[in-house]
Order: sequence, then structure tokens, then C-alpha cells
Amino acid sequence: DGGITQSPKYLFRKEGQNVTLSCEQNLNHDAMYWYRQDPGQGLRLIYYSQIVNDFQKGDIAEGYSVSREKKESFPLTVTSAQKNPTAFYLCASRNRAKSYEQYFGPGTRLTVT
Amino acid sequence: EDQVTQSPEALRLQEGESSSLNCSYTVSGLRGLFWYRQDPGKGPEFLFTLYSAGEEKEKERLKATLTKKESFLHITAPKPEDSATYLCAVQAYETSGSRLTFGEGTQLTVNP
Repeated sequence: DGGITQSPKYLFRKEGQNVTLSCEQNLNHDAMYWYRQDPGQGLRLIYYSQIVNDFQKGDIAEGYSVSREKKESFPLTVTSAQKNPTAFYLCASRNRAKSYEQYFGPGTRLTVT
Repeated sequence: EDQVTQSPEALRLQEGESSSLNCSYTVSGLRGLFWYRQDPGKGPEFLFTLYSAGEEKEKERLKATLTKKESFLHITAPKPEDSATYLCAVQAYETSGSRLTFGEGTQLTVNP
């Protein structure tokens, strides 16, 4: 089955620690995206990548970092500089040659205390 | 700046009671408008893409329509399993990376 996997589903960290969220896709999509979702707010774009070894900041990139060393993988690191890291994080991907819609993974809920 | 406003924020229906959700948008040249369904604690599930005013798409009890200023998601004879949050998003022609701008969603509850 083709799809997007995110792990872990739930993640707990202490304040001041960096944490990396995994996103893997086997859809052969070239573009990948990271969003953050908070209660009562729409999805907000953190980072996106259209090709391997290239990525751009979204609307709320401060305190986050990404890498895109492989087409299938787009990990997101939430650093200690992110002031309000507790949120639901969603990864998405898109086939740039075929369509404009993005397909989402199941999400990771991060709680920082 | 692209903007998407969804209404109502929440909607309660009885099973079989048809209704519509609204998505109003402001965008400098619409490339596409997207509808997603999101269940609690899960990622959004893609439903429809609409590209031009007058376009309609259907899937089971759902029908999406598009005008130059808004989109409607019509739900005909809903069932309890249609309960979810419905998200609307737009993409502008000049958007870098084909990024989407999302509304805050409409939380739909269908009571049996």
C-alpha cells in the first residue's frame, strides 16, 4: 500500500530538548510539506521541499529545521527555540507532475512540558 | 494575502437532514480550491479539487460547488459516519511551492 507514514503517533518531551519527527512516503511524490495544527486554527505551513536537497521556509519556520536527503523522507526537528511546540504536526506530499492536491499522513501529536 | 473563511464553525444535524458548509476565499488568481475531511486525531483526507467557477464534484452524499468568491460543500441525507471536521484550502497561481492556505474548518456532527 502506498502512503505517508509519520512516527511516532504521540511524542512527549521536556522543555529545552530538541525532538525530530519522522515523515516517510512511498508514493514517489517529489514535493513534501510540514504543517502545524492548533485547536481553533487552520493548518499553518512550517517548511516545504519540492526536490531533494532543497527546502523553503513556510509561514512559521522559526524554531524548526528540516532536511531532505532522500526523496522519500522529510524529517522535521522541533528545536528548543520554538516557544510553543505543543501541537499536532502533519506531513503531506504531492506529485508535482500530476496534480495540485496534497495528501496527508496520520500526524504526530507532540507534547512538551 | 490569501484568505479562507469557513462557516459555520460547528454544525449539528439530524441524520437525513441535508445542509451546506460554506468556504469564502480571497486569492489573487485561484489555481484550485480543495476540500478535505478530518477525523479527530487523524490527518486530513482529500475529497475534491475545484478549479473554475461553475465546476461541481460529487462523492457519495457530498457535492462541492465553486463560484468566484466561495465554495459550498452540500451534504445530502447525512449519516452519523459523516461526522468530521471539513477543511477548505486554496492555492493561488503565483504561490511558491504550490502551498495551500487553509480555513479553520467546520466541525460537523450528525446525530442518529
